[in-house]
Amino acid sequence: GAVVSQHPSWVICKSGTSVKIECRSLDFQATTMFWYRQFPKQSLMLMATSNEGSKATYEQGVEKDKFLINHASLTLSTLTVTSAHPEDSSFYICSARKSGHSGSGSYNEQFFGPGTRLTVL
Amino acid sequence: GENVEQHPSTLSVQEGDSAVIKCTYSDSASNYFPWYKQELGKRPQLIIDIRSNVGEKKDQRIAVTLNKTAKHFSLHITETQPEDSAVYFCAASINTGTASKLTFGTGTRLQVTL
Repeated sequence: GAVVSQHPSWVICKSGTSVKIECRSLDFQATTMFWYRQFPKQSLMLMATSNEGSKATYEQGVEKDKFLINHASLTLSTLTVTSAHPEDSSFYICSARKSGHSGSGSYNEQFFGPGTRLTVL
Repeated sequence: GENVEQHPSTLSVQEGDSAVIKCTYSDSASNYFPWYKQELGKRPQLIIDIRSNVGEKKDQRIAVTLNKTAKHFSLHITETQPEDSAVYFCAASINTGTASKLTFGTGTRLQVTL
């Protein structure tokens, strides 16, 4: 299997505080993880690509100093929303990439975590 | 970068009918096209995917077709059931090496009515 967990599943915080979200691949190693943000009734928007042992790659328009990503091990990536404001309220979803080989060749498949609902008051 | 468009945004079908969702992509280098089903407040679940070396793939009631020349791919659900009701997202990526970040379509809300 390929299981990805996220913690916490939901968090409510006051404006100006920082929130850390953890993403773990439970039964495989992931050198690459992805962080997405999803607003109500909208699609998943990629925020950044998290690479184990190196700096994250951020998508255009995503502030790297506001959304701190750390990928210190092959099974854990963290996203810290610094100085959170109400407009940061969203559903944050991570995914972990699993690579391998099958009968049809090599593959890279993303497995998603259950998401973290952040509400900033 | 890649741009994925998805239509329709909402789709209502009667139980037992078929549903078709269509996506187009812009980057001809994209070679991996997964489809995800997302229920309210939950994670996206991969339901089927297709790689650019095939034109069609089927898994029970679900099938996906790919037209590389036209850069579009479609999801077909036959004999729809109420539990098929969800939001469906298509995605595209260049699935090689260290790349393979997914670009998602805007989603289709499928409602299967009794």
